[in-house]
Amino acid sequence: GQQVMQIPQYQHVQEGEDFTTYCNSSTTLSNIQWYKQRPGGHPVFLIQLVKSGEVKKQKRLTFQFGEAKKNSSLHITATQTTDVGTYFCAVLHSGNTGKLIFGQGTTLQVKP
Amino acid sequence: DAGITQSPRYKITETGRQVTLMCHQTWSHSYMFWYRQDLGHGLRLIYYSAAADITDKGEVPDGYVVSRSKTENFPLTLESATRSQTSVYFCASARGQGTTIYFGEGSWLTVV
Repeated sequence: GQQVMQIPQYQHVQEGEDFTTYCNSSTTLSNIQWYKQRPGGHPVFLIQLVKSGEVKKQKRLTFQFGEAKKNSSLHITATQTTDVGTYFCAVLHSGNTGKLIFGQGTTLQVKP
Repeated sequence: DAGITQSPRYKITETGRQVTLMCHQTWSHSYMFWYRQDLGHGLRLIYYSAAADITDKGEVPDGYVVSRSKTENFPLTLESATRSQTSVYFCASARGQGTTIYFGEGSWLTVV
């Protein structure tokens, strides 16, 4: 079935350092969504990418969708302690069913 | 968001008992989902529903039953709870296929 691999699983950075998480699929994706979950909280939508090669920015966050629409990345510039949490990518399962599958998530820890 | 609520938020039950987790959304969203979250496994889809009276299996449906007689409610039942079903359960809803999904606050279930 549709699977999306997300790496790394964990990342510890010093405050001010950059951070990147990647999602990879073996099949072409119609779109990809990114969510953030703070410790003890629930996932919250960040952004959706639809077009091949699309790049979107939200302040210090940069989201990219690969040219082949099989991979995506989330890059955070100059991390802050408020960036702590788990970042998930999510993709629609093939078959036009509306089934939304999540990657395993990348948990970011930021040392002040 | 207050638009999607889960109950109970916390539950301890014994092995073999039936447990129902409730989910209610006020947006009239077509799609509803149940995910479980376990350390190291991210968010795994249990069941989802595209509309009232339409439900389908996700990645890990065994041991769970769902129903959706009304658009706004999507209860999840563990017919005979097992320790492996100890988890955090998130209900979510979406207006349409591939649109932003909104999560409830989560239900922490412990099976002893």
